[in-house]
Amino acid sequence: SQELEQSPQSLIVQEGKNLTINCTSSKTLYGLYWYKQKYGEGLIFLMMLQKGGEEKSHEKITAKLDEKKQQSSLHITASQPSHAGIYLCGASPHEMYSGGGADGLTFGKGTHLIIQP
Amino acid sequence: KAGVTQTPRYLIKTRGQQVTLSCSPISGHRSVSWYQQTPGQGLQFLFEYFSETQRNKGNFPGRFSGRQFSNSRSEMNVSTLELGDSALYLCASSWTGAFSGNTIYFGEGSWLTVV
Repeated sequence: SQELEQSPQSLIVQEGKNLTINCTSSKTLYGLYWYKQKYGEGLIFLMMLQKGGEEKSHEKITAKLDEKKQQSSLHITASQPSHAGIYLCGASPHEMYSGGGADGLTFGKGTHLIIQP
Repeated sequence: KAGVTQTPRYLIKTRGQQVTLSCSPISGHRSVSWYQQTPGQGLQFLFEYFSETQRNKGNFPGRFSGRQFSNSRSEMNVSTLELGDSALYLCASSWTGAFSGNTIYFGEGSWLTVV
């Protein structure tokens, strides 16, 4: 089964600084999802990356997929208090719909991000 | 458009009881998946429904079950509750399931505490 390892497990960053969170897969990455979660709440969809070295940006967050390394990184520029939370990466076990069943996403353990004012 | 709606948000049950959680997916989405989140195990896949059929199931005991209705709304049921079932239960909605390129949205979750 696929396993995702996130690093670091926790991160304390001064407001205004940049930071990077990594997600490494034990198997080929087909679809890689990044979510943000406030404690006890649901997952907020950030970005989805597909196979092919994709890179996406939204506001101050950029995510990249390195299929050779089976790794994705999430980079936040000029961090703000609103960026604080738990960042989770999730991987899709299937490349495309083939008519069969769909296993769920496999998730990493998450990275706890604290922004210091 | 409305997001994924889960009810109830919080509930407390006693060991041995059963519980039913509800999820209304985003309009038009036919795939609904359920996940359990605990501090120790993280997020774990329970099962997935598509067009009223369970297509896949995670590694959970038979006490965990679910169903999906013709309007894509889904319910999950846990019978004979155990203390270890205390968790945040999350519902995920998508067009066709956890496939590459398919955006998956989550609800706010249902907090279950078993005492």
